[in-house]
Amino acid sequence: EVQLLESGGGLVQPGGSLRLSCVASGFTFSDYAMTWVRQAPGKGLEWVSLIDTSGADTFYADSAKGRFTISRDNSKGTLYLQLSSLRAEDTAVYYCAKGRGSSYPHSRYLDYWGQGTLVTVSS
Amino acid sequence: ETVMTQSPATLSASPGERVTLSCTASQSVSGDLAWYQQKPGQAPRLLIYGASTRATAIPARFSGSGSGTEFTLTIGSLQSEDFALYFCQQYNYFPGTFGQGTEVEIK
Repeated sequence: EVQLLESGGGLVQPGGSLRLSCVASGFTFSDYAMTWVRQAPGKGLEWVSLIDTSGADTFYADSAKGRFTISRDNSKGTLYLQLSSLRAEDTAVYYCAKGRGSSYPHSRYLDYWGQGTLVTVSS
Repeated sequence: ETVMTQSPATLSASPGERVTLSCTASQSVSGDLAWYQQKPGQAPRLLIYGASTRATAIPARFSGSGSGTEFTLTIGSLQSEDFALYFCQQYNYFPGTFGQGTEVEIK
């Protein structure tokens, strides 16, 4: 059974940093692209970042560029999202999600999602 | 950025009804369109990818169609468990933008 378990969320002050983790199990982690998606309270889904199977290629939404860094450790089956220079508008549940494949197009839509971790940016 | 627009924002329907949700892209995304269902307090679930291919274990009452800029999700006969929020996502371009969602509510 595929499982994705996020952690690392919490309350942080504006300008602060957090590192989110997502531990994967039930599939060969290194064979799939991974994506972070966030959802502000009561709002829709916002794609944040994608990383390819090896970690060599990464992609970001404009809202994340220069502030967030996606990475992965295939030996640990873990996906990360380093958040820095956080703003109130970054407050959201952050989901990690598995791409259905390793390359376009199947890497880019999301067949399994974690339950999310809440990041609250407030003073 | 490719903007995805869903309509209607809210759809009121009765169990057993056939409903159609729409999703329009601001530029052609070919057939790179997915649909997700989200229930309160839960993560989204993949329903459709490639505009018309049902994901694993998705009931046949869910069907998708369209290409280019116009897409639809049809639920053939609404079941109680289908009342939820539905999002479309294009993945032809980065970032893989989502629509704002359509809520299917009980009439």
